[in-house]
Amino acid sequence: AQKVTQAQTEISVVEKEDVTLDCVYETRDTTYYLFWYKQPPSGELVFLIRRNSFDEQNEISGRYSWNFQKSTSSFNFTITASQVVDSAVYFCAFQTGANNLFFGTGTRLTVIP
Amino acid sequence: DSGVTQTPKHLITATGQRVTLRCSPRSGDLSVYWYQQSLDQGLQFLIHYYNGEERAKGNILERFSAQQFPDLHSELNLSSLELGDSALYFCASSADRTTDTQYFGPGTRLTVL
Repeated sequence: AQKVTQAQTEISVVEKEDVTLDCVYETRDTTYYLFWYKQPPSGELVFLIRRNSFDEQNEISGRYSWNFQKSTSSFNFTITASQVVDSAVYFCAFQTGANNLFFGTGTRLTVIP
Repeated sequence: DSGVTQTPKHLITATGQRVTLRCSPRSGDLSVYWYQQSLDQGLQFLIHYYNGEERAKGNILERFSAQQFPDLHSELNLSSLELGDSALYFCASSADRTTDTQYFGPGTRLTVL
């Protein structure tokens, strides 16, 4: 069975600090996809990134970067120089051929000005 | 803005009642997914429709049903409502029926009193 674990329930950082959100997944599938979504206080779910299981290249998008390591079944998300607007709940999600997303329990990030 | 629309944004009703939530997918997307977000269950997959046909069911109660119409919009019907049905209901759409990225609507917040 698939499982996504986000062990960090809440994280608080001071503005401009770097922060890493952890995501560990479990699966027996060889082909799968990993996602990060952001849920700001307004409530919507915003897509951030999608990686497939065959692409372990790290990705950087502005202040955001993602580290995918199959050896440790992890897909961690780092925000560099955090800003107040980064305050949100961040969800890691997993998808296989069943098509639906399995979500982790989310990490609530609070950036203190 | 993801391009997925959901109405209404908020819904307040009483136990035992029936409500209908509506979702319009992004232009060109054939797949519609429904998810429920509650405090105790987190984000859970309910049901997936592709081009008018049901493709997969998740943790959807028998009191709940959905359909996707020829114009590809979808409706989620919740009946005999209970207090525990209070949640945020999300619709997501993707281009096809496989593991394409799902883009989420703003959600409908249902409160059952």
